[in-house]
Amino acid sequence: NAGVTQTPKFQVLKTGQSMTLQCAQDMNHEYMSWYRQDPGMGLRLIHYSVGAGITDQGEVPNGYNVSRSTTEDFPLRLLSAAPSQTSVYFCASSPVQGNNEKLFFGSGTQLSVL
Amino acid sequence: QKEVEQDPGPLSVPEGAIVSLNCTYSNSAFQYFMWYRQYSRKGPELLMYTYSSGNKEDGRFTAQVDKSSKYISLFIRDSQPSDSATYLCAKDRAGGGADGLTFGKGTHLIIQP
Repeated sequence: NAGVTQTPKFQVLKTGQSMTLQCAQDMNHEYMSWYRQDPGMGLRLIHYSVGAGITDQGEVPNGYNVSRSTTEDFPLRLLSAAPSQTSVYFCASSPVQGNNEKLFFGSGTQLSVL
Repeated sequence: QKEVEQDPGPLSVPEGAIVSLNCTYSNSAFQYFMWYRQYSRKGPELLMYTYSSGNKEDGRFTAQVDKSSKYISLFIRDSQPSDSATYLCAKDRAGGGADGLTFGKGTHLIIQP
């Protein structure tokens, strides 16, 4: 049982480039979400999904897109990377239907935008 | 004012000591509180979870919620070097819902052997 798997672990982008952070979970959780973690800011919610085909914005959604075509996968797309998007990104899922209690986190993607 | 406030530390204590980690929150509306532990370069992992006011114990860990003072605490007994990590408190936002989770910034704990 792998839990929540994020790829890649590290990524360096140039300003303006686009990329997709991958997230997959094998626990059959309906709820999935993306957070970013910055020094002095804590964890902030970017986007979340309560099930396949349903996504919504969190606290800091600008510059990011998500889609949820399957229960297992929840990719995060950076449309045009900016230095302000340098951060550690965490994907998380929850077994609680329609809610974010008891989040299980992946190991993170460290992203640097130059 | 951020909804959940937490002293970033670092907090350094000798092995075997009782550790007290604290958070305060500003909005009285809540359903549940959580404590997460995060080791360096890892994702947070759920440590404690409670719906109600009062104490909840799990092994060496006790979570305490005081609604009257809007205070959340985590106590670690017989602390071990392996407890060295960043501890994040979290609560649901006012009104709850699927986007309703607010994290503190985390307290960095160091247990000295």
